[in-house]
Amino acid sequence: KAGVTQTPRYLIKTRGQQVTLSCSPISGHRSVSWYQQTPGQGLQFLFEYFSETQRNKGNFPGRFSGRQFSNSRSEMNVSTLELGDSALYLCASSLQGLAGELFFGEGSRLTVL
Amino acid sequence: DQQVKQNSPSLSVQEGRISILNCDYTNSMFDYFLWYKKYPAEGPTFLISISSIKDKNEDGRFTVFLNKSAKHLSLHIVPSQPGDSAVYFCAASGVYNQGGKLIFGQGTELSVKP
Repeated sequence: KAGVTQTPRYLIKTRGQQVTLSCSPISGHRSVSWYQQTPGQGLQFLFEYFSETQRNKGNFPGRFSGRQFSNSRSEMNVSTLELGDSALYLCASSLQGLAGELFFGEGSRLTVL
Repeated sequence: DQQVKQNSPSLSVQEGRISILNCDYTNSMFDYFLWYKKYPAEGPTFLISISSIKDKNEDGRFTVFLNKSAKHLSLHIVPSQPGDSAVYFCAASGVYNQGGKLIFGQGTELSVKP
């Protein structure tokens, strides 16, 4: 069974640009959530989608957005990039998104210069 | 406001000995707790979980203990092996909180020395 796939794995952007990250969940998983990992901050929840609907949102500015498609694939977008957005962005999928184990991808490492 | 805290950024243990990783939480609405392990350049992988109706859960070398009155949980690894060297994150969730939202601690980097 294929795992969670995230693309691209690495990318470099400059301040003010925007970026789109993609996530393909495990087949059959309908919930996709996104996390930001920065040194010393652990993983911080961005948002979660279930059946194309955003069900939960973390405490991030509106520059961070996402969506989910009918095939459960998800994208997240960050507009007007800031230096502080440099981080590892992790996508996780689960069967129904209820409290329980999440299956994480390897992440997309974003560097903002 | 850090609702889940791992106060030890790092821990070093000798191979064969016990590793104890600690985690504290502040939100009494949390009712499900998990531990994840993360190797460099990989995503976190689920290790073990515990529901608030239990105070202990075992899976092989890994045991998680939950002390609800102290809002504290710990992960015991016995015996520790060099392959256990990784960053360990504790995470919490609540029934009130639908969806794949977990609140993570900052992580503890475990180093198991041969």
